[in-house]
Amino acid sequence: QVQLQESGPGLVKPSQTLSLTCTVSGGSISSGGYYWSWIRQHPGKGLEWIGYIYYSGSTYYNPSLKSRVTISVDTSKNQFSLKLSSVTAADTAVYYCARDRVVGQQLVPASFDYWGQGTLVTVSS
Amino acid sequence: QSVLTQPPSVSAAPGQKVTISCSGSSSNIGNNYVSWYQQLPGTAPKLLIYDNNKRPSGIPDRFSGSKSGTSATLGITGLQTGDEADYYCGTWDSSLSARVFGTGTKVTVL
Repeated sequence: QVQLQESGPGLVKPSQTLSLTCTVSGGSISSGGYYWSWIRQHPGKGLEWIGYIYYSGSTYYNPSLKSRVTISVDTSKNQFSLKLSSVTAADTAVYYCARDRVVGQQLVPASFDYWGQGTLVTVSS
Repeated sequence: QSVLTQPPSVSAAPGQKVTISCSGSSSNIGNNYVSWYQQLPGTAPKLLIYDNNKRPSGIPDRFSGSKSGTSATLGITGLQTGDEADYYCGTWDSSLSARVFGTGTKVTVL
C-alpha cells in the first residue's frame, strides 16, 4: 500500500520561502508511471494544483504559480519537495502531496490515486 | 478560476440518487480522462472514479462515472449519510498544460 506523508513548517513568515517534503513509502518514486504532485486547498475552498515532477526530474507547474514554485525529487530518499517563494497570506492553505497516474505514450496525467493527509501552512508574521 | 464547472450543492434523501455534473471544454474533458474525488470533512480527497468511469478497488458500485463530449457526470445511488462530502472532478487541460479541478459540489443527505 502506497503512503505519502507531508512534512515541514506549519508557520511561515510573509516574503519567506515555504518548504515542504513528501515522503513516499510502499512504492518507489523511481519506478516510473506516475507524476508526483503538490496540490493545495485554501480554507473552505476548492483544490488547486501546484505542479508535479517525474522521477527523471521533469517538472510541470501551474502557470499562475510558476514564477514562485520549485519542485524537486530525491530518489535516494524516495522523497519529493516543494518550495514556494515570496509567500503572502494568500498562500495560507492545506498542502497535499499526491501520486498522479500517467497514461499513454505522451505521459498524460490521469488520476490522483494516493494522497497524503495534508499539512496546514499558515503565512503570518 | 476553475475551468471545470460543477453545481455548488446537491441534496437528496437517504436511498435516493444524485448526479453531479462537471462541465469543461475540448481542451480538457473533451480530450482527456476525467477522475472524481470525494473529500469527507477534515480529510484528504479520495479517488472515486478514474478514466471517466472506472472504480478503484474498494469503491462501491453505488458510485458511477460517465463522460459525453465536454461534460462528465458522477452518479451516486442508494445515498447514505456517510456520502455527505465535497466532490471534485479533475482532468488535464492540454491548452493550459495544467491539471485542473472542478469547483466542487457539496452533497447533503436530507
